[in-house]
Amino acid sequence: NAGVTQTPKFRILKIGQSMTLQCTQDMNHNYMYWYRQDPGMGLKLIYYSVGAGITDKGEVPNGYNVSRSTTEDFPLRLELAAPSQTSVYFCASSREASYGYTFGSGTRLTVV
Amino acid sequence: GQNIDQPTEMTATEGAIVQINCTYQTSGFNGLFWYQQHAGEAPTFLSYNVLDGLEEKGRFSSFLSRSKGYSYLLLKELQMKDSASYLCAVRDHGAAGNKLTFGGGTRVLVKP
Repeated sequence: NAGVTQTPKFRILKIGQSMTLQCTQDMNHNYMYWYRQDPGMGLKLIYYSVGAGITDKGEVPNGYNVSRSTTEDFPLRLELAAPSQTSVYFCASSREASYGYTFGSGTRLTVV
Repeated sequence: GQNIDQPTEMTATEGAIVQINCTYQTSGFNGLFWYQQHAGEAPTFLSYNVLDGLEEKGRFSSFLSRSKGYSYLLLKELQMKDSASYLCAVRDHGAAGNKLTFGGGTRVLVKP
């Protein structure tokens, strides 16, 4: 049971480039999330999804887009990378309201 | 909206006890979570409180007082491997999709 798998683990982007952060889970969880974590800070919610075909904005959605075509996959798209998007990105999934999240191992992104 | 406060850093000695406090203000409380995050790794779920009182899980206990907007995480018989950040997270009553808002985290350093 792999849990939540994120790729890539590390990436350096130039300003203005685009990329997709991949996230897949094999636990049949309906709920999935993208958070970012800046150094020494807590996690801030970017986007979330309550099921295939349904997505919604979190606290800091600007500069990002998501899609949820299947229960398993929840990719995060950066269209025009900016230095402010330098951060560690975590994907997570959840089964029910009383359960904690299962997090992926994270993607460390640097925009230069 | 929600506001979650926890101390930035705490230091304790191996074998001792440390208590990490978390205070929150929310428009509608529906559960509080504690996560452990080792440096460079993903957060892992520790505990969940939705009713007042103490939840004990081995060396870790978590307490909640909803009327005071207050929780603490108690770590007993500290071990070197407990050196990590501890994140307090709150779920809002109206939060669709089990969304959590995270505090900034408390970095605990365990010294020999």
